[in-house]
Amino acid sequence: GQQLNQSPQSMFIQEGEDVSMNCTSSSIFNTWLWYKQDPGEGPVLLIALYKAGELTSNGRLTAQFGITRKDSFLNISASIPSDVGIYFCAGQRGSQGNLIFGKGTKLSVKP
Amino acid sequence: EADIYQTPRYLVIGTGKKITLECSQTMGHDKMYWYQQDPGMELHLIHYSYGVNSTEKGDLSSESTVSRIRTEHFPLTLESARPSHTSQYLCASSPPGTENEKLFFGSGTQLSVL
Repeated sequence: GQQLNQSPQSMFIQEGEDVSMNCTSSSIFNTWLWYKQDPGEGPVLLIALYKAGELTSNGRLTAQFGITRKDSFLNISASIPSDVGIYFCAGQRGSQGNLIFGKGTKLSVKP
Repeated sequence: EADIYQTPRYLVIGTGKKITLECSQTMGHDKMYWYQQDPGMELHLIHYSYGVNSTEKGDLSSESTVSRIRTEHFPLTLESARPSHTSQYLCASSPPGTENEKLFFGSGTQLSVL
């Protein structure tokens, strides 16, 4: 069953605004990842996090691995129209475990 | 740029037909995966493979089957398609060792069964 709770489910924002989304679980994960899926395409990896408390950036994107290892956050600064898509969090338990995905946050950006 | 390819991109077929969704990667990755994704929903793992001659069932039960005769090829087959099989099917692969969590996805096959 569903083990990752991702919120919000959808967001409508104005171009230039900052965006925050998060992912929580009742279980501990060793690795957190954030993927983006454009319409009609497969997900693409944005950021991978490996240590509790880790803060990692990729351009305008910043993600954090929660201290409790049960959550993660993704922030997008100064959004642009091409940020539109669905953002998925994913967690991995062991070093070779399969990923568990959240339901995604659908982002819409108005120019 | 990921070198993983899925065909067809779109498939509309009638109930009862046998279909095979193709997936190939040129990165030499051992581990490959099939995910099923309904609109607006999370990805559910239905099959994966550790390498040649290895196939495992994923978290979501599926009537489909897979084979892995060559490293680069991981086709998915439905013997008798039904409307409940209508969904997007995503293939992925991952590098070995410490980066195995970094999945590379194909563009997906959108399957519609009438």
